[in-house]
Amino acid sequence: QITLKESGPALVKPTQTLTLTCTFSGFSLSTHGVGVGWIRQPPGKALEWLALIYWDDDKRYIPSLKSRLTVTRDTSKSQVVLTMTDMDHVDTGTYFCALGEMISVRSFDYWGQGTLVTVSS
Amino acid sequence: IVLAQSPGTLSLSPGERATLSCRASQSISSIYLAWYQFKPGQAPRLLVYGASNRATGVPDRFSGSGSGTDFTLTISRLDPEDFAVYYCHQYGSSWMFGPGTKVEIK
Repeated sequence: QITLKESGPALVKPTQTLTLTCTFSGFSLSTHGVGVGWIRQPPGKALEWLALIYWDDDKRYIPSLKSRLTVTRDTSKSQVVLTMTDMDHVDTGTYFCALGEMISVRSFDYWGQGTLVTVSS
Repeated sequence: IVLAQSPGTLSLSPGERATLSCRASQSISSIYLAWYQFKPGQAPRLLVYGASNRATGVPDRFSGSGSGTDFTLTISRLDPEDFAVYYCHQYGSSWMFGPGTKVEIK
């Protein structure tokens, strides 16, 4: 059974750095073709893909936020970590991690429940 | 590429048919078109990938179709558990989502 779970602070102050961890089970991020992505949803707004890390440690970022994002993995811990620097009120939202097959269909087959992050002083 | 979904809200009764539309601003490859179901407090669920392939465990009342710029998710007979928000999603040079369609109980 594949599961993913996001964890991290519920509240961060403006200008701080957000660190979110996606802890997963039921698969290996070393498996050829897989990737773990981060997607967020501000309250009442659309879903926005942020970043993705591939099985071979290649990484992709949304261009508009690339300078603020870093995604890394710890294969031994079955974790993917997303850091976002210089947080602002507009970064408030629910952050999801999701697993997908990234060679052919590139959809996100399994998702975590998401974690709500509020940016406020 | 921008995805538009219509209607924004669909008010239907259990047992009725739901037809959700996803339109791309330019032609996209069907292999990269997916549909997801979002419910509050639950992990989102992949329903359809490759425009018309049901994901594992998805009931056959869900079906996807379309090509080019126009795609459709159809729920043949709404079950009470189907009232949720549905998003289409495509991969072009990156991953993009539509704004969603809320299917609510009439």
